[in-house]
Amino acid sequence: EAGVAQSPRYKIIEKRQSVAFWCNPISGHATLYWYQQILGQGPKLLIQFQNNGVVDDSQLPKDRFSAERLKGVDSTLKIQPAKLEDSAVYLCASSLEGLAALQETQYFGPGTRLLVL
Amino acid sequence: QKEVEQDPGPLSVPEGAIVSLNCTYSNSAFQYFMWYRQYSRKGPELLMYTYSSGNKEDGRFTAQVDKSSKYISLFIRDSQPSDSATYLCAMSETRTGGSYIPTFGRGTSLIVHP
Repeated sequence: EAGVAQSPRYKIIEKRQSVAFWCNPISGHATLYWYQQILGQGPKLLIQFQNNGVVDDSQLPKDRFSAERLKGVDSTLKIQPAKLEDSAVYLCASSLEGLAALQETQYFGPGTRLLVL
Repeated sequence: QKEVEQDPGPLSVPEGAIVSLNCTYSNSAFQYFMWYRQYSRKGPELLMYTYSSGNKEDGRFTAQVDKSSKYISLFIRDSQPSDSATYLCAMSETRTGGSYIPTFGRGTSLIVHP
């Protein structure tokens, strides 16, 4: 079974530029998550999709971050304009449903490392 | 005070040692507890989960939860160099809609040297 794919793996941009990340979840997984992991911290949920609808985006900085999941499969996360404090690893994860069962598992991709200069 | 506290380490041990990793939490509504392992430049992977106080064993790994003290532990027996990674504790409460989204600790870096 192929895992969660993310691209690019690394990105360096200057502040105020825009950037986009792409995620392809495990086939058949209805739920997709984007997390931000700042160096030395645990992942923080930014947004959760169930198919192509948003379930939770309460921690997404909506003035600069946006995400979409067209057709309920792939997803893109965009930052515009980027700030220095956005330097982090952006992790995409997917699960079969929406973690509604205790035994359900999230599967994480390798992440995209963003450095904002 | 953060909801989940975890010492970042690094924790360096010799091969074969018993490792103890710990987290404390402040939110008494947390009822579902997890441990993730994250290798360098990889995403986290779920190691173990537990729902209640007590111990849960899986091979060389034992997860322990003490809800009265708001304290959880992960023990690794006969540690191996391949166990070298960052270990993240995570916990969740049931949200509206019944989704167990985890709140993560910052992770403890473990180094097992031959």
